Amino acid sequence: NAGVTQTPKFRILKIGQSMTLQCAQDMNHNYMYWYRQDPGMGLKLIYYSVGAGITDKGEVPNGYNVSRSTTEDFPLRLELAAPSQTSVYFCASSRQGSDTQYFGPGTRLTVL
Amino acid sequence: AQSVTQLGSHVSVSEGALVLLRCNYSSSVPPYLFWYVQYPNQGLQLLLKYTTGATLVKGINGFEAEFKKSETSFHLTKPSAHMSDAAEYFCAVSDLRTGFQKLVFGTGTRLLVSP
Repeated sequence: NAGVTQTPKFRILKIGQSMTLQCAQDMNHNYMYWYRQDPGMGLKLIYYSVGAGITDKGEVPNGYNVSRSTTEDFPLRLELAAPSQTSVYFCASSRQGSDTQYFGPGTRLTVL
Repeated sequence: AQSVTQLGSHVSVSEGALVLLRCNYSSSVPPYLFWYVQYPNQGLQLLLKYTTGATLVKGINGFEAEFKKSETSFHLTKPSAHMSDAAEYFCAVSDLRTGFQKLVFGTGTRLLVSP
């Protein structure tokens, strides 16, 4: 049981490049989330999903896209990377009706 | 809208001393309150939570927190700090009105423990 896994751990992008951050969970959780963590700012919700095929915006969705084709996977897409997207990105999951989220180890992204 | 305020971005204690990390929340409905801990280069881990019932909740590693509605607070305490407690701690609030757990996080408090 690996829990929530994220790849890659680190990535450096040039302005305007695109990339996909991968997130997978093996706990059969319905709900999945993407957060970004900026220094001194806490975590902000980017997008979330309540099940396969269902996604919705969180607090800071601009510049990102998501899809949820399976229960296990919830990738986050950056289409045109900007320096403002330099951050640490965390994926999390939870069981429907549960108040506990399980977090992955994070992806540290730098956009230069 | 919900919000969380954590007083003090850094708290320093000596090993064996009391740990007190402060959290105040704002919510128009009964809140669900959480403390998460983040060790260096790791994801967040649930430390403890308050949903309903007893207002004093105990978590892992000897931490506890008390929900005080009159003070809109949910401070985290531990009687005796250990070196391994050095980490960043996040307070968060949510409610389940919509059936979706949307956490609102505070800005975090980094706990430093000196020998």
